[in-house]
Amino acid sequence: AQSVTQLDSHVSVSEGTPVLLRCNYSSSYSPSLFWYVQHPNKGLQLLLKYTSAATLVKGINGFEAEFKKSETSFHLTKPSAHMSDAAEYFCVVIQSGGSYIPTFGRGTSLIVHP
Amino acid sequence: SAVISQKPSRDICQRGTSLTIQCQVDSQVTMMFWYRQQPGQSLTLIATANQGSEATYESGFVIDKFPISRPNLTFSTLTVSNMSPEDSSIYLCSVVHSLNTEAFFGQGTRLTVV
Repeated sequence: AQSVTQLDSHVSVSEGTPVLLRCNYSSSYSPSLFWYVQHPNKGLQLLLKYTSAATLVKGINGFEAEFKKSETSFHLTKPSAHMSDAAEYFCVVIQSGGSYIPTFGRGTSLIVHP
Repeated sequence: SAVISQKPSRDICQRGTSLTIQCQVDSQVTMMFWYRQQPGQSLTLIATANQGSEATYESGFVIDKFPISRPNLTFSTLTVSNMSPEDSSIYLCSVVHSLNTEAFFGQGTRLTVV
């Protein structure tokens, strides 16, 4: 079985400060992990993905995430938040060798203050 | 990669009626899924669309309410039957390539039931 836990339902930062969105996963097989962003009334946009290559993954818009197997974590970071980063972020796990069903975390709402 | 065309993008429907949502993929894929995103919530898996056989439904979802067809490897439909206002949600189609375990999502169908 697989599951995803996004530890924070809301994260509030000031513009220009670092962003940390936390994600822990559980998977019986080697997982593929993703971060998606959803702006209000928009579709899902892929930020970055980990599929068993480099553990530090760089994505679009300055985001990156590090896969830590020992901690079963895949936290999303950005050095400096921008107002346009305000959105809902979803951590997703796919268990390769299993059902291949994308399992979503509950989402983290990122709020960016001027 | 895979490009997904989902139709309609939005609709407003009367209660008691049914709506069929179409999902067309530009390549043959093995795994295809349907999700629901209720307002302010994460994505919940409705079912796995199986080519040439009955869909596999998740707990809380039944075939009579959400009949799914998948006649081939590139096309699927989801019908929301006998709609009520509680069915107002975004419905999304997703495909996963087993070779690289990457997930792709349609832009979603925003359904409002009045």
